[in-house]
Amino acid sequence: RKEVEQDPGPFNVPEGATVAFNCTYSNSASQSFFWYRQDCRKEPKLLMSVYSSGNEDGRFTAQLNRASQYISLLIRDSKLSDSATYLCVVNIGGGYNKLIFGAGTRLAVHP
Amino acid sequence: DAGVIQSPRHEVTEMGQEVTLRCKPISGHNSLFWYRQTMMRGLELLIYFNNNVPIDDSGMPEDRFSAKMPNASFSTLKIQPSEPRDSAVYFCASSLVWDRRATGELFFGEGSRLTVL
Repeated sequence: RKEVEQDPGPFNVPEGATVAFNCTYSNSASQSFFWYRQDCRKEPKLLMSVYSSGNEDGRFTAQLNRASQYISLLIRDSKLSDSATYLCVVNIGGGYNKLIFGAGTRLAVHP
Repeated sequence: DAGVIQSPRHEVTEMGQEVTLRCKPISGHNSLFWYRQTMMRGLELLIYFNNNVPIDDSGMPEDRFSAKMPNASFSTLKIQPSEPRDSAVYFCASSLVWDRRATGELFFGEGSRLTVL
C-alpha cells in the first residue's frame, strides 16, 4: 500500500467551478501535512500547510482529519491558472522535513 | 536570491555509463534532499542530508546509487552503472530546519532529466 494515496484524475472543470481533492495516508505517526502544486514539466512548490482546525488561503481551503488519516483541498472559483497537478504531502520525519509525496491529482480548468 | 541549482538539466547516456548529477542548495539552508520522479512511481525520496550528514538513505534503490555532500553548498548523486530503468527526472531540494522544527517547505531545483538508452 502506498504511504500517500490520491485520485490521479484528471479533473476537468470549467472556470468558476468548485473542485475538491482528497488524499489518505497510512502512517499514523505522520506529523505534518501539506499540499504542493506542480506545473507541467516544472518543479513542485508549496501551496499550503494543512492544519487540524482547517485553514484557508484565498480560494483554497485545506482540511485534515487525523482520526480518518484523510486530507482534503477545496478550490473555489477555479481559474485557468489553477491547472496543474496537486500533490498531497506528509511529513514523517519528526523534526526533519522527510516529506512523502502522493502521486498527485491533475486538474484542468477550461474556459 | 538564487534558488536551488541543478546540473545538468538534461542528460542522455547509454546503459552502463556513469552519471553524476549536481546540486547547489540555497545558501543558508541546512537540509538537502534528492528525489526521483517518474510517471509510474511519482516523486520518491532517495536520500536526505542535514548539516551535510546523510540522515536517511533508505530510499536509495540499490548500490548503483550513491550520494555525497562534501560541504554545505554542493551535493552529487551518482549512478554507476546506469540502466534504462533509471530514466527519470531527478530533483534536488533544500530547506532550513531550526531546532528540529520542520516547516514542510522544500525548495526544489528545476530537475535533471535523465534518459538512459
